Amino acid sequence: NAGVTQTPKFRVLKTGQSMTLLCAQDMNHEYMYWYRQDPGMGLRLIHYSVGEGTTAKGEVPDGYNVSRLKKQNFLLGLESAAPSQTSVYFCASKSGTRGKTYEQYFGPGTRLTVT
Amino acid sequence: AQSVTQPDIHITVSEGASLELRCNYSYGATPYLFWYVQSPGQGLQLLLKYFSGDTLVQGIKGFEAEFKRSQSSFNLRKPSVHWSDAAEYFCAVGPFGNEKLTFGTGTRLTIIP
Repeated sequence: NAGVTQTPKFRVLKTGQSMTLLCAQDMNHEYMYWYRQDPGMGLRLIHYSVGEGTTAKGEVPDGYNVSRLKKQNFLLGLESAAPSQTSVYFCASKSGTRGKTYEQYFGPGTRLTVT
Repeated sequence: AQSVTQPDIHITVSEGASLELRCNYSYGATPYLFWYVQSPGQGLQLLLKYFSGDTLVQGIKGFEAEFKRSQSSFNLRKPSVHWSDAAEYFCAVGPFGNEKLTFGTGTRLTIIP
């Protein structure tokens, strides 16, 4: 199993450009998450999904959109990038079997720079 | 609302010395607690978790953590650190079902020879 993979690993954007980050998991997990990591701020939840076709806002959703058209994929979009979106983005997934609690599994991250 | 505080931003210890990283949480019900480690340029890896039962939990790489409800703490310990333990460590708390986790701001660990 590859686990959680993220594409691309690095990206540089100019202000106003758009892009999509792809997260894929091969563990048949129901839940998927997008976080951003900034120095001194830990990980902050952007959006998450509890199943195919569903999405929900996290702590810092502004400026981002997401889609979960297939269970194994979770896309994060930036429609008009801003320098404040320079960050490292992590995707995570976890099992959602009712009545149980499971840990989240993380991807390797995408380092995004907006100039 | 749930929250996590890691009061130490950066800790330096000598190789072979013992280690304790502090984590305090705020949560209204029974918390589900986690410690993750992030090596430079990598994603997060789960070290250990506490869901219920024995308050002293063992994890990977020789780490352990103790849940103390009266102190709202979940401190991470290791009796003897190795140079490869240099990394950033994150404590996290979530509810039953663990739909959403709240992470602390992390503690960066430096190991000196």
